[in-house]
Amino acid sequence: SAVISQKPSRDICQRGTSLTIQCQVDSQVTMMFWYRQQPGQSLTLIATANQGSEATYESGFVIDKFPISRPNLTFSTLTVSNMSPEDSSIYLCSVYLSRAHEQYFGPGTRLTVT
Amino acid sequence: GQNIDQPTEMTATEGAIVQINCTYQTSGFNGLFWYQQHAGEAPTFLSYNVLDGLEEKGRFSSFLSRSKGYSYLLLKELQMKDSASYLCAVRDRNYGQNFVFGPGTRLSVLP
Repeated sequence: SAVISQKPSRDICQRGTSLTIQCQVDSQVTMMFWYRQQPGQSLTLIATANQGSEATYESGFVIDKFPISRPNLTFSTLTVSNMSPEDSSIYLCSVYLSRAHEQYFGPGTRLTVT
Repeated sequence: GQNIDQPTEMTATEGAIVQINCTYQTSGFNGLFWYQQHAGEAPTFLSYNVLDGLEEKGRFSSFLSRSKGYSYLLLKELQMKDSASYLCAVRDRNYGQNFVFGPGTRLSVLP
């Protein structure tokens, strides 16, 4: 299994500012992802965080808006840049343990943009 | 592309059995996963199927038919704490081995 922590757990931010979310895993993992979940909705993949190289973004998400860092195999950050109210959502990081075929999620960061 | 469908809501009675269905269309199927998500919490992994058949884990079982693009999650001896959303997700090798999540099924367990 994997234990994942995220900081902050929630934040209220003003339009036009940026917020960096941290994700820490208790073991080294290769596959790490960032998701967004709107209230009452399912999960949408933002990007795959690749260690030592640029993240791989899904359609509709761009690096300028959601820059991601992955300096090592236990840590990643997601920045939500130049925020607007439409960015209000829950942001989740997750890891996939390929041998066990299990995916684990962090507790999420609830972001409200005013 | 991928298309995953689940019923939006289901209701069942405590002690009963409920089956939550998931249908999918994907070109590079590489596993189907079920997750439980309580309101305000992160999803938790329940099960994984990559071959046809039934996988049992205590009160929860998951079934897969690859030829039909179909899976179900079976919950037995329902408890009030089973009230949650259940998410089906498919891993697609033609999608960078990433996960595509279905819309989720909100299950309400009534006394």
